[in-house]
Amino acid sequence: GENVEQHPSTLSVQEGDSAVIKCTYSDSASNYFPWYKQELGKGPQLIIDIRSNVGEKKDQRIAVTLNKTAKHFSLHITETQPEDSAVYFCAARGGAGSYQLTFGKGTKLSVIP
Amino acid sequence: SAVISQKPSRDICQRGTSLTIQCQVDSQVTMMFWYRQQPGQSLTLIATANQGSEATYESGFVIDKFPISRPNLTFSTLTVSNMSPEDSSIYLCSVPKGQEAFFGQGTRLTVV
Repeated sequence: GENVEQHPSTLSVQEGDSAVIKCTYSDSASNYFPWYKQELGKGPQLIIDIRSNVGEKKDQRIAVTLNKTAKHFSLHITETQPEDSAVYFCAARGGAGSYQLTFGKGTKLSVIP
Repeated sequence: SAVISQKPSRDICQRGTSLTIQCQVDSQVTMMFWYRQQPGQSLTLIATANQGSEATYESGFVIDKFPISRPNLTFSTLTVSNMSPEDSSIYLCSVPKGQEAFFGQGTRLTVV
């Protein structure tokens, strides 16, 4: 089955700096890659996603890139703010007809004011 | 998106007892998923709840321990049976909407 590796497990950045979180996946048939933000005591919130026919997607300060050949995708957060502090999870979904997501182990991001 | 309500939001239970968690969605969905998130860990899929048929369990999870009901297209329950401290986790329901997947706020279970 699918295996998703996520790095780093923890990340501390100064407010205003950029943060990058990277994930690799194993199943070349995977075609959907969402990113979730989970704040303490809450469920995961979908913040951005990318499909396999797209190389990059941006939404304000958040961007995701996908390299299908290398089977890796990354989350980029620019101009970080203290409210960006949370645990971020990447995930991958298999090919056509599959609804199941396989998650990475998460990255705890701390933005230092 | 989807609005997903879970009850209870948290509970502290005695070992050996059972807890039933409810998940209500604001629209009809074909599939609902139940995940477990152990402390400081990622999300692990427990089972897929299908309306009108038995739930499909992932490796390592069995129906006797985690019975699931799906009486209609907007509601599901997950029961954690005969609990032990190792069952202390956050339990989350999730629904797909198109390509996207949305989560409830989770049920934080502590077994003492």
